[in-house]
Amino acid sequence: GENVEQHPSTLSVQEGDSAVIKCTYSDSASNYFPWYKQELGKRPQLIIDIRSNVGEKKDQRIAVTLNKTAKHFSLHITETQPEDSAVYFCAASWDNQGGKLIFGQGTELSVKP
Amino acid sequence: ETGVTQTPRHLVMGMTNKKSLKCEQHLGHNAMYWYKQSAKKPLELMFVYSLEERVENNSVPSRFSPECPNSSHLFLHLHTLQPEDSALYLCASSQAGGLETQYFGPGTRLLVL
Repeated sequence: GENVEQHPSTLSVQEGDSAVIKCTYSDSASNYFPWYKQELGKRPQLIIDIRSNVGEKKDQRIAVTLNKTAKHFSLHITETQPEDSAVYFCAASWDNQGGKLIFGQGTELSVKP
Repeated sequence: ETGVTQTPRHLVMGMTNKKSLKCEQHLGHNAMYWYKQSAKKPLELMFVYSLEERVENNSVPSRFSPECPNSSHLFLHLHTLQPEDSALYLCASSQAGGLETQYFGPGTRLLVL
């Protein structure tokens, strides 16, 4: 079955710097890759997603890139702010399996002012 | 946020108790999910219901029993749990049938003594 590996497990950056989180997946059938942000004590919330028919998607300070050949995708946060501090989860999914998401282990991002 | 609600928010139970977790979604979705979130582990999918039919049981022990009486409600019945079942249990919902965004509830923090 699908397996998603996420790195790093923790990431500390200075405010204003960029942060990059990387995920690899094992099943080439995967074609949907969402990213969720979970602030301390709160629920996971979708921040951006990408489907396999595009290589990059951007939403203000957040961007996701996808390399289907290498089976990896990355989250890029530019101009980080303290409120970006949270745990970020990547996930992978594919058609015809009832919405099943396979999550990575999570990355705890800390943005220091 | 009131799209997906869960009760109770916190639960302490002994290993011989029987309890139920409740999830309700107000988003008009027709797929619902139970996830287990333990410390230092990725979100683990437990069950998927699509159009009120269970479409996924991810090798979950029988001491966890889901119930989906309609598309807006999802229950997780618990009995004879083990201390290692202590975790945050998250409910999510989405539109069924495709690669759709999942919206999470706030979770129930469960402690098994």
